[in-house]
Amino acid sequence: SQQGEEDPQALSIQEGENATMNCSYKTSINNLQWYRQNSGRGLVHLILIRSNEREKHSGRLRVTLDTSKKSSSLLITASRAADTASYFCATAGGLYNFNKFYFGSGTKLNVKP
Amino acid sequence: DAGITQSPRYKITETGRQVTLMCHQTWSHSYMFWYRQDLGHGLRLIYYSAAADITDKGEVPDGYVVSRSKTENFPLTLESATRSQTSVYFCASSEMGAADEQFFGPGTRLTVL
Repeated sequence: SQQGEEDPQALSIQEGENATMNCSYKTSINNLQWYRQNSGRGLVHLILIRSNEREKHSGRLRVTLDTSKKSSSLLITASRAADTASYFCATAGGLYNFNKFYFGSGTKLNVKP
Repeated sequence: DAGITQSPRYKITETGRQVTLMCHQTWSHSYMFWYRQDLGHGLRLIYYSAAADITDKGEVPDGYVVSRSKTENFPLTLESATRSQTSVYFCASSEMGAADEQFFGPGTRLTVL
């Protein structure tokens, strides 16, 4: 399976702190995406990083990708209570699975006010 | 209203019954996806479609049937529901498949008794 796995499974921090989540995957990919899911809602796309990119920023989000280690990290800086949600990485691509996304089981982030 | 909608939002059915979950998107995206989300498994791809009349299996297709006669609709049918199909089902769409972000619907919570 190409499934990504997030680490840690749960993370609890204070408002204002940084939150780092990691994702590992097993096979070659075309890109890796991060999504957020608020409780009881659908997923919302956060950021996409292509296999030839090493780092990408979007607002308070910073994503890195290390294809040699098959891993990615998502950093949320200066977290807010509204960042409380589950975060998922999704991998896509590979020669025979190009349009198939594989999601990890997620990191549940709790930001305490 | 623009976006991606799913119906019904909640469904309770009995083992052996046929159930159809509906998904409709207004963006004319080429790609559409069906996922199921179970505790501890993240999202798993059931089927996806690259265009009208073109569908392909995902990670967990057994027990499900899809069709796509129109670009905007992608219904998912459980031909004979089983308890193991109790889950939350998400539909998503994307302009360029795995090379692009996915937009998710709000989900359908299905309970099979």
